[in-house]
Amino acid sequence: GNSVTQMEGPVTLSEEAFLTINCTYTATGYPSLFWYVQYPGEGLQLLLKATKADDKGSNKGFEATYRKETTSFHLEKGSVQVSDSAVYFCALSPQASGGSYIPTFGRGTSLIVHP
Amino acid sequence: NAGVTQTPKFRVLKTGQSMTLLCAQDMNHEYMYWYRQDPGMGLRLIHYSVGEGTTAKGEVPDGYNVSRLKKQNFLLGLESAAPSQTSVYFCASSYALGRRTHEQYFGPGTRLTVT
Repeated sequence: GNSVTQMEGPVTLSEEAFLTINCTYTATGYPSLFWYVQYPGEGLQLLLKATKADDKGSNKGFEATYRKETTSFHLEKGSVQVSDSAVYFCALSPQASGGSYIPTFGRGTSLIVHP
Repeated sequence: NAGVTQTPKFRVLKTGQSMTLLCAQDMNHEYMYWYRQDPGMGLRLIHYSVGEGTTAKGEVPDGYNVSRLKKQNFLLGLESAAPSQTSVYFCASSYALGRRTHEQYFGPGTRLTVT
């Protein structure tokens, strides 16, 4: 079956530090890949996505590149802010040959940014 | 557009009571999902629907029932609540195009406590 593995948290950084959250996946074919962010007390919201190999998704200074050869989609940001403190979820949407296409989520990585 | 809305936002139940959580979306999405989120467990899929009148079991369906009588609504029912169902419940929707689903849109969540 499909699976998503992301690094455990919490990740604690100082403001303006570089961020990397690792995400690797297992799936057949060419899934779509996503990063979602969940701020305290809210639902998840899409941060960025990539739908084919070598695509780079970007938004709000965050970036992730779809690496088919390493089955990875690592999230990066060059300079984090206190307002980036949240939980980040890596997810995939499978490319199915029939039936339903249910997304698979990682367990989430909590990011804490200190001033 | 309101996106995905959930009713109620908070609820406290006694063991054995029943309730229904309502999810509504105004984006004409085919797919709708119910998740629960517990500390350290990430998101777990309870039930999902691939279209009006259809439902299917997810990862943790026991103790829950669902219905999708209208495309825009997806109801989650607890017939006899148990303390183990204390959680935050999220509804999500997405559209499907070709052979894959696309990004999910999440509601703000319902925080349920069963005493």
